[in-house]
Amino acid sequence: AQSVAQPEDQVNVAEGNPLTVKCTYSVSGNPYLFWYVQYPNRGRQFLLKYITGDNLVKGSYGFEADFNKSQTSFHLKKPSALVSDSALYFCAVRDEEDSSYKLIFGSGTRLLVRP
Amino acid sequence: DGGITQSPKYLFRKEGQNVTLSCEQNLNHDAMYWYRQDPGQGLRLIYYSQIVNDFQKGDIAEGYSVSREKKESFPLTVTSAQKNPTAFYLCASTTTARARAFFGQGTRLTVV
Repeated sequence: AQSVAQPEDQVNVAEGNPLTVKCTYSVSGNPYLFWYVQYPNRGRQFLLKYITGDNLVKGSYGFEADFNKSQTSFHLKKPSALVSDSALYFCAVRDEEDSSYKLIFGSGTRLLVRP
Repeated sequence: DGGITQSPKYLFRKEGQNVTLSCEQNLNHDAMYWYRQDPGQGLRLIYYSQIVNDFQKGDIAEGYSVSREKKESFPLTVTSAQKNPTAFYLCASTTTARARAFFGQGTRLTVV
């Protein structure tokens, strides 16, 4: 069975500094990995995904994620944070070996970017 | 996301009553999901369906039931057996295992 963990409830960073939101996963086969963001009073938005190929995935709004198979991690990164990046971020995983479409989410990490 | 509609947005239920949450999508997606979101707990999977007339339990299926009679629709019934039903419920859909999920706007259920 697949699982995903986001070890930090909240991440605080100053505007202009790089940010990292951590995600680790557990699957039987190869992972399909996703990042979503939830802004206040708005729905969830898709940021990026890793299916196969380059370990560095680039997504929306300047975000990127680094897939590391040996560390079973898929950390979300941005070189320079904006105050408007403040939101709730979710990591999600599917297991390629699992023939179902089961999609599991992490508990979420709140990102707070201070001016 | 457009194309996936949940109704109603807010729902109040008396204890002991069953209630059904609606989820409809016009994206021609095969797979649909129901999640529950509680403060500090992220999204927890209740049920999911890969195809019409088939569905599987997620991690917290007790006290819930679903049906998938049409590709476009995946209603969730919160039964009186669900011990703590007050929560925010999210429906999602996707095309393939490699594809991103699309989300509805959610239904906030309150038991009074």
